[in-house]
Amino acid sequence: DAGVTQSPTHLIKTRGQQVTLRCSPKSGHDTVSWYQQALGQGPQFIFQYYEEEERQRGNFPDRFSGHQFPNYSSELNVNALLLGDSALYLCASSQLDMDGKAFFGQGTRLTVV
Amino acid sequence: GNSVTQMEGPVTLSEEAFLTINCTYTATGYPSLFWYVQYPGEGLQLLLKATKADDKGSNKGFEATYRKETTSFHLEKGSVQVSDSAVYFCALSDQASGGYNKLIFGAGTRLAVHP
Repeated sequence: DAGVTQSPTHLIKTRGQQVTLRCSPKSGHDTVSWYQQALGQGPQFIFQYYEEEERQRGNFPDRFSGHQFPNYSSELNVNALLLGDSALYLCASSQLDMDGKAFFGQGTRLTVV
Repeated sequence: GNSVTQMEGPVTLSEEAFLTINCTYTATGYPSLFWYVQYPGEGLQLLLKATKADDKGSNKGFEATYRKETTSFHLEKGSVQVSDSAVYFCALSDQASGGYNKLIFGAGTRLAVHP
């Protein structure tokens, strides 16, 4: 079992650009959540996808959008990047009935310059 | 809204010392509680969980008890090792309508264990 895989592991973007991050959930999991972890802080919930629809959303602007595919994999898109978007982006996979227990990928380190 | 507060770090201990990392929460209802650990350069790993009051979660020598009366979920280990050096996050499961859960994390506590 490959667990949760994210790509890329690192990337550097310029202010104003757009970025797409990818996540493949753990086998058997149907729910994908995305979190932003700024340096020295705890992860903050961005949004969650189940059955290809956004089910919950945290306090993030519309510049943050996502998608879930029929194979349960997911993408996180961020438009009009700001310096403050620099962070570790974590993907978490779970099953809907797992009472919140989630498995995390290693994350994508995004640096905006 | 629901929230988690944990003690600030860093916590620096000698090997074989006793560890306590405090965590308190604010929540409506009775959420599940978790401790996650993040080793350098890695994502988060679930360390232990508890789903109801008085439950004790345990794993790899770590323990935490769900205390409803004090809204706490303190992490303890009797004898830490250098390999336990990491950042520890306390979290609760916040359930929205439809059964969708998200995790709310504390700010994290960095633990450094030296020989």
